[in-house]
Amino acid sequence: GAGVSQSPSNKVTEKGKDVELRCDPISGHTALYWYRQSLGQGLEFLIYFQGNSAPDKSGLPSDRFSAERTGGSVSTLTIQRTQQEDSAVYLCASSLAGGPNTEAFFGQGTRLTVV
Amino acid sequence: AQSVAQPEDQVNVAEGNPLTVKCTYSVSGNPYLFWYVQYPNRGLQFLLKYITGDNLVKGSYGFEAEFNKSQTSFHLKKPSALVSDSALYFCAVRDPYSSASKIIFGSGTRLSIRP
Repeated sequence: GAGVSQSPSNKVTEKGKDVELRCDPISGHTALYWYRQSLGQGLEFLIYFQGNSAPDKSGLPSDRFSAERTGGSVSTLTIQRTQQEDSAVYLCASSLAGGPNTEAFFGQGTRLTVV
Repeated sequence: AQSVAQPEDQVNVAEGNPLTVKCTYSVSGNPYLFWYVQYPNRGLQFLLKYITGDNLVKGSYGFEAEFNKSQTSFHLKKPSALVSDSALYFCAVRDPYSSASKIIFGSGTRLSIRP
């Protein structure tokens, strides 16, 4: 596809269950980002992948959160033992390179609701 | 640490009037600055960026932004607002000295254009 694709678009899960969110970046983009947005508010940085470099995990809020990027393309964000405060829209973005002068392209997001 | 601040949570403008959405930054050295827009129930879209060169940067949908180093500002402007400009606007910065750097977003400003 032409843009960043995220799935599912909506996810409702019970408290305590694990969830996996998927991101397909734009083909050829080497940098991939995950952000979290609560109730139309600001964007909270979670994790950043750039090529084969070690990811910047400094934004992950707890050890229940993890992410991987396989083959330098698709990324999966996993939240274990979900809590109600995890409810948010999870946004993925990619950019052509990790250089600081490049803009990122965002997916539509996954709306996660923990009940 | 790099940061951006958006001092206004909400900006209200009448259609046809000029609009300004404010952003100030705190970056060591010369910054790489961006504006993104988020329409209701949609992902973020890139509007424009300042890397170097002319202080006045033109972007999508008739928007422009002025980089002011002495005031450490990067305000978003449009000469004549449209109702369709109503959205959430985010200012962002990246570290210019890092080859692999996350994007740091401001808290967002909700722009409301009344007919």
